[in-house]
Amino acid sequence: AQSVTQLGSHVSVSEGALVLLRCNYSSSVPPYLFWYVQYPNQGLQLLLKYTSAATLVKGINGFEAEFKKSETSFHLTKPSAHMSDAAEYFCAVGDTGRRALTFGSGTRLQVQP
Amino acid sequence: GAVVSQHPSRVICKSGTSVKIECRSLDFQATTMFWYRQFPKQSLMLMATSNEGSKATYEQGVEKDKFLINHASLTLSTLTVTSAHPEDSSFYICSARDAGLAGGRTNEQFFGPGTRLTVL
Repeated sequence: AQSVTQLGSHVSVSEGALVLLRCNYSSSVPPYLFWYVQYPNQGLQLLLKYTSAATLVKGINGFEAEFKKSETSFHLTKPSAHMSDAAEYFCAVGDTGRRALTFGSGTRLQVQP
Repeated sequence: GAVVSQHPSRVICKSGTSVKIECRSLDFQATTMFWYRQFPKQSLMLMATSNEGSKATYEQGVEKDKFLINHASLTLSTLTVTSAHPEDSSFYICSARDAGLAGGRTNEQFFGPGTRLTVL
């Protein structure tokens, strides 16, 4: 069984500040991990993914995430927040099977001017 | 890149009517598609897994007679909400797994833009 926990349903940062969105996972097999972003009334856009290669993964829009097996974490970071980063972010875990992804509850990022 | 479309993007219907939502993979073949439901300010909840040429697999608590899924081709899956009621109002999102490329190894899925259903 797999599960994802996203700590903090809402995160607010100032423009230019560091963004840190937390994700912890549980998986009985080596996981594949994903971060998606969702803007209002839109579908999900893939930010980045971990697929058992490099543990530090770089994604689009300046985001990156580090896979830490010992901590079962896959936190998303961005050095400097931009107003356009305001959105809902979802962490998801998958495996090598044909099953659907398991999503976390989401974190709404607000960026203050 | 892999693109998934949904149609319609928004639909308003009267209670008791049926609504069909289409999910298409535009530039790849998807043997498996997934249907999710998202309530306001909540995460995505998997409703069912749609496999081309076979019956869909529904998650516990999802009424298969109410949410009919058909995956007739490698690029099209449809979700029909039968006898819709106001409590069925939600944002429905599909995703497709590209078994031919990276998705075959990493289970990466590509998401459609979603369909907002409002039942009056």
